Formats: sequence, structure tokens, C-alpha cells
Amino acid sequence: AQKITQTQPGMFVQEKEAVTLDCTYDTSDQSYGLFWYKQPSSGEMIFLIYQGSYDEQNATEGRYSLNFQKARKSANLVISASQLGDSAMYFCAMRERSYNTDKLIFGTGTRLQVFP
Amino acid sequence: GAVVSQHPSRVICKSGTSVKIECRSLDFQATTMFWYRQFPKQSLMLMATSNEGSKATYEQGVEKDKFLINHASLTLSTLTVTSAHPEDSSFYICSARDGGLEAFFGQGTRLTVV
Repeated sequence: AQKITQTQPGMFVQEKEAVTLDCTYDTSDQSYGLFWYKQPSSGEMIFLIYQGSYDEQNATEGRYSLNFQKARKSANLVISASQLGDSAMYFCAMRERSYNTDKLIFGTGTRLQVFP
Repeated sequence: GAVVSQHPSRVICKSGTSVKIECRSLDFQATTMFWYRQFPKQSLMLMATSNEGSKATYEQGVEKDKFLINHASLTLSTLTVTSAHPEDSSFYICSARDGGLEAFFGQGTRLTVV
């Protein structure tokens, strides 16, 4: 069974500072994918960034980057230059694939609050 | 990115009635759609996976007779909560995949059963 762990229920960061949201995972698969989603208070899930297990470089998308440490099974999200609009829930997820299933498994999330 | 439209965004229904939630992929064909349930301040819990033209695969503990899922076309999946009770009140969100890597999410539906 696969598992995603987000140990930070809440994080605070000052505007314009960088913040790291932790995510560790557990899988016996050699090939897997890791995702980060943002969920504002309105509820929609916004895709932020993706890292494949075989990707040699850490993924980056604008102010988002993923600190992927495969040996430690961690895929932390780094948000640089935080903005007030970054305040939201952030979920780490892993794609679980088998002969009869292909689905996303989510962590418990981290609530990020950006203050002026 | 691709657009998934979920309707309604909010619904209030009386206990004992049924309510249908629609999930549409607007600009791509969704070979697979997923339905999630999210309780306040909790994570998304996968309820079921549906592939177009076949029966949905439900996660353990999800009552298939209570949560009816239909994926009749490549652009539409519906979730019907039958004989709703207050404990069914929750945020339901769908996602759709076109066979590629990413799953695109709808806006979610907040169901309140009174």
C-alpha cells in the first residue's frame, strides 16, 4: 500500500519570504509520480507541480519548485516570494497504479497562511 | 489546462431525497473520472473510479447503492446520492483524466442535507 504523509497541519509565512511544505511518501513501486495541489477556500483543486520518479532534475513551475529527494522519499514543495494569495490548503498526492487501478492518493494537507 | 465543470456548486436537499451531481469535461475526452469526498478540514477521500461505458470501481467502505455513479459518455459522469441523510453532507469533487498524466478537477459541490 502507498502512503503520503504531510506532517505540518499549518504553516505561517511572511509575504515575500520562501516557505517549504513537507511531504514524504511510501511506495514499493519503481515508477511513480508526485503531485502538489492548492485548494483555496472556494474548494477547487489547482494543480501546481509534478515530479516523476525518474526525473533527474527537480521540477519547477514559476514560484513553485519541488525538492525531490528520492532516497529519503520526500517531495517537499518550495514556494518562493510568498504572496497573500498563496494562503490556502496544499495537498501532496501520489499516483497509485496497479493492474486494475490508477488513482491519486492524497496527504492530509497543510494550511498555509501568508501574512503581510 | 483542461476544464472540468461540476454542477451544482451548492445544493441543499431534504433528508430522504436524492441529489445528482454532474461532472463534465469541456474540452477533452475523459476516459476516466474520479469522485472524491472531503469532510471539513480533511483530505480528499477517493470514493470511486469510473471508466466510460463500464461500471464504477468503488473504494472499500463506499456504499455503491447509495452513491450511484454513471459514466455514460466520454465527457460526462454523474454521482447520485440516494436517500440522502444529514451525514452525507460533505464536499464532493470530481476529477477527470484523458489518459495522460494529469487529472483535472471540477469546482466541487457542497451538499447539505437537512
